[in-house]
Amino acid sequence: DAGVIQSPRHEVTEMGQEVTLRCKPISGHDYLFWYRQTMMRGLELLIYFNNNVPIDDSGMPEDRFSAKMPNASFSTLKIQPSEPRDSAVYFCASSFVLTSTDTQYFGPGTRLTVL
Amino acid sequence: QKEVEQNSGPLSVPEGAIASLNCTYSDRGSQSFFWYRQYSGKSPELIMFIYSNGDKEDGRFTAQLNKASQYVSLLIRDSQPSDSATYLCAVNQEYKLSFGAGTTVTVRA
Repeated sequence: DAGVIQSPRHEVTEMGQEVTLRCKPISGHDYLFWYRQTMMRGLELLIYFNNNVPIDDSGMPEDRFSAKMPNASFSTLKIQPSEPRDSAVYFCASSFVLTSTDTQYFGPGTRLTVL
Repeated sequence: QKEVEQNSGPLSVPEGAIASLNCTYSDRGSQSFFWYRQYSGKSPELIMFIYSNGDKEDGRFTAQLNKASQYVSLLIRDSQPSDSATYLCAVNQEYKLSFGAGTTVTVRA
């Protein structure tokens, strides 16, 4: 299996621009998670989906952030407009089920820099 | 108080020694606990999980859980330079993972 795929791997943009991050989960995994990692706040869960439906978006920081999952093999995280404080590494992860012991597999991440 | 706290690093150990990593959590209802390893510039990868009190061993790694004390630890025996990484403790709370800030371990050759 190819694992979780994310694109782009690096993104540099200017403040005010729209940014779209993409994720392809592992085939057959029903759950997809978006995380953000910064030095100050560590690794934070932003939102997760079950069977393409957003279940919990309580971690989404502001209305500037939105996420969609139009089908089982694709999800996007969009920031509009972007701000310098959005600079972080954004990880997508997927899991087969959502039990107390199920493993989440992380993608390689997208390093976002907002100037 | 943070939900998941880890001992501050960095932790430097000589090759062949035991590295001991600690983690405490605030939610008594937490059911399971995970240790992830993250190399610099890479994504987190699961080392092991534990959900019963006591010890769980996997190769050179041993996880220890004490729910009464709300404490989980990871021991790395016979530390190797390839173990140099940041170790993240994660706690399953209502099927969502909450992560600690991580402890950076450096193994000196």
